[in-house]
Formats: sequence, structure tokens, C-alpha cells
Amino acid sequence: SQTIHQWPATLVQPVGSPLSLECTVEGTSNPNLYWYRQAAGRGLQLLFYSVGIGQISSEVPQNLSASRPQDRQFILSSKKLLLSDSGFYLCAWSVRRTGNTEAFFGQGTRLTVV
Amino acid sequence: QQQVKQSPQSLIVQKGGISIINCAYENTAFDYFPWYQQFPGKGPALLIAIRPDVSEKKEGRFTISFNKSAKQFSLHIMDSQPGDSATYFCAASDDFGNEKLTFGTGTRLTIIP
Repeated sequence: SQTIHQWPATLVQPVGSPLSLECTVEGTSNPNLYWYRQAAGRGLQLLFYSVGIGQISSEVPQNLSASRPQDRQFILSSKKLLLSDSGFYLCAWSVRRTGNTEAFFGQGTRLTVV
Repeated sequence: QQQVKQSPQSLIVQKGGISIINCAYENTAFDYFPWYQQFPGKGPALLIAIRPDVSEKKEGRFTISFNKSAKQFSLHIMDSQPGDSATYFCAASDDFGNEKLTFGTGTRLTIIP
């Protein structure tokens, strides 16, 4: 069965510090990978998605970047965190095929920038 | 640009009642409409989904109604239970290769005894 691992679960970081959140998927190959941010009352905002190794598409301009060094690994990074980067970050994957698009989410990382 | 509008933002329903959450979309290329359920501190999980070739889909107490001409779809939870208390997101995608999901802003549902 497929599983998705996301860590850490919670993180408190000072403004200006770097960030690295990691997500790995098991039990599937060649998945589409996504990073979402959930802010209170604003739903799920797609930050980045990737259809393959080294292929990253950014949805919104921001202080964050993403990388996919391996097929089932997706990393969200920042060189210098801002207060506005606080939020609940979710990694997700879906199988690349036509038809039903089901995204499977990780447990999320609660990031607080202080 | 908000392509999927969801309402209400919060909803309180008595146990045994019907919970109704509505969504409207703008992009006519959307062809897949799922609903996700999220409990506090957890990632969302797929609840039920529909394609525009049908007007209704039912799974247990959960029903999606779809109106293609109005570009609207809704989630109905029959016989609502306290365990249904969660945040619900509608979403849409166009399946053009990358399968990105565009989410609504979410509805916090509370079922009271």
C-alpha cells in the first residue's frame, strides 16, 4: 500500500532562519507531488507541484522554493523565513493518469515563525 | 484568483439533521469534483467525488449534487453525526496532465447533540 511521510510535525523557527521540510512517498512510482499551505480561513493553497524529478512548477510567487531530487522525495525550502510563512504545510501525491484525480495528503507540518 | 468558491465558512447542525455545503466554480474545463474531509491536525482525506456526466452521486450518508449549467455542486450529509464534525473542502481539477486540484476555502462543520 502507498504511504506518505512528512516531517517534522511541528516546527518553530525564528524570522530569517532557513527552512527545510521533507516529504517522501512509498509504494508507488512516478507520482505527481504537491506542496500546499493551509492558512486559517483560506483553504488549501497550492504552492508547488512536480510531475517528475527536477520538474517543479510554482503556483504563486513567494519566499519558498521546492526541489525533487528523487522520484518519491519532495522538499520545501526557504533561505530566510518571514512571519507570513507561518501556516500548516501539507505534502500530497497523486498517481499520474487520466480519470479520477485523488490526492493523498501527509499529516502536515505546523510551522510557526517567530 | 479564486476559482472555486465555497460556502458557508462555518455550519452548525443538530445531530440527525442534514448538512449542506455549496461550491461554485468558474473554469469550464474542470471535469472532476471531489470533496475532502479534514479533522484537526490531520491532512485532508478524500470523502466522495463526482464527474460532470452525472448529476448526483451517493455514498452512504454523503451525496454530491452537481449542476453543470449553473457550475455548482454541493455536499449533503444526511443524518449528521457528531463524528462528522470536521472541515470540508470542495475541489476541482481539469486533469490536463498534471491533475492539480483547486480547493475551496473550506467549511467548518459542527454537529451538536
